[in-house]
Amino acid sequence: AQSVSQHNHHVILSEAASLELGCNYSYGGTVNLFWYVQYPGQHLQLLLKYFSGDPLVKGIKGFEAEFIKSKFSFNLRKPSVQWSDTAEYFCAVNLYGNNRLAFGKGNQVVVIP
Amino acid sequence: GVSQDPRHKITKRGQNVTFRCDPISGHTALYWYRQSLGQGPEFLIYFQGTGAADDSGLPNDRFFAVRPEGSVSTLKIQRTERGDSAVYLCASSLMASGGPSSYNEQFFGPGTRLTVL
Repeated sequence: AQSVSQHNHHVILSEAASLELGCNYSYGGTVNLFWYVQYPGQHLQLLLKYFSGDPLVKGIKGFEAEFIKSKFSFNLRKPSVQWSDTAEYFCAVNLYGNNRLAFGKGNQVVVIP
Repeated sequence: GVSQDPRHKITKRGQNVTFRCDPISGHTALYWYRQSLGQGPEFLIYFQGTGAADDSGLPNDRFFAVRPEGSVSTLKIQRTERGDSAVYLCASSLMASGGPSSYNEQFFGPGTRLTVL
């Protein structure tokens, strides 16, 4: 079945630690890839996106993600997290020709000052 | 931004509920998602203008959504069940195309939290 997988649902880090969140998808066609973030008490908002071209994409607040087509992966990274990065992070996939987003279960990230 | 009303709704099992979504002005595409506890948002339906272009995510015929004038949308759930408890999210975007670089970002509202007792 088509799906988006995110592992390690709860992540606890200290400030300045590096963060990497994994995302794998199982769609067979060409896809657009996204990471969304939801800060406490706020709306879902787009962190970064990949459509085509350079597989390493940079988003807001120092986040980046790498698309590895052979592994069907789109992992999110940040070299040094801050307390303000405490949030829930969702990977999402959009199939070409289809307007819906399919989301993973999310990663709840807590950064300890 | 996208606004949703109400923000919270508590109802008893078997009652009907209605949620409203007011998209960003000029956005022709409107989406409804449902987010259950511990899960990511799950697609329900999307509108392009007034018509439902894809309603394949609606779980059953108790769920119904309309967008009569191509702007505000309402999502209705009839005869609610405890399993309907979730956050119902609305999103809007410029004209939806589903292509690569022509994909338009979906902007999400704050959601309506439904609790069915």
